[in-house]
Amino acid sequence: AQKVTQAQTEISVVEKEDVTLDCVYETRDTTYYLFWYKQPPSGELVFLIRRNSFDEQNEISGRYSWNFQKSTSSFNFTITASQVVDSAVYFCALSGRRASGSRLTFGEGTQLTVNP
Amino acid sequence: NAGVTQTPKFRILKIGQSMTLQCTQDMNHNYMYWYRQDPGMGLKLIYYSVGAGITDKGEVPNGYNVSRSTTEDFPLRLELAAPSQTSVYFCASSPWREDNSNQPQHFGDGTRLSIL
Repeated sequence: AQKVTQAQTEISVVEKEDVTLDCVYETRDTTYYLFWYKQPPSGELVFLIRRNSFDEQNEISGRYSWNFQKSTSSFNFTITASQVVDSAVYFCALSGRRASGSRLTFGEGTQLTVNP
Repeated sequence: NAGVTQTPKFRILKIGQSMTLQCTQDMNHNYMYWYRQDPGMGLKLIYYSVGAGITDKGEVPNGYNVSRSTTEDFPLRLELAAPSQTSVYFCASSPWREDNSNQPQHFGDGTRLSIL
């Protein structure tokens, strides 16, 4: 069975602070994919990043960066110099290679509030 | 540039009524999914389809039915609506790739359903 744990239910920061959202996963698959999605207050789901299990390189996209560590089964997400527009619920999700049709298992989400 | 379109956006049902949530995508994606999101929770997979004529159960299929007669459409049917089915329903799609890599899912804007 697959499982994604986002232990931080809510995080509140002040604008320009850096913030890290934690994600820990469990899977028996040797090949798998990890995703982060953003859900702003308007409710839609916005894809942020996909990482496969063979690629442990960290990735940076503007103010966003992701740290993937297979040794600790973690795929953490850092926002540098946070902005009010970053306020949203962030979901980490997992898809095993054996899961037909690329089904996703989602974590419970982390509500990030960035205060001005 | 429609992507994944869900209708209706909002609906209130009485206990015992039935309805169909519509989902259509114009990206020629093979894979389609239905998720539900309960308040403060992550998304849970209801049903998915790997192609026209093929559907399978996800994590929480009870009380729902689906069909996939075309690549574009993947309606979700609620029979005998119950208060426990009050939720936000998301439809998603993703493409198949020859290398079998799991691609990001594209989500519709959701249908907010209340059963009273």
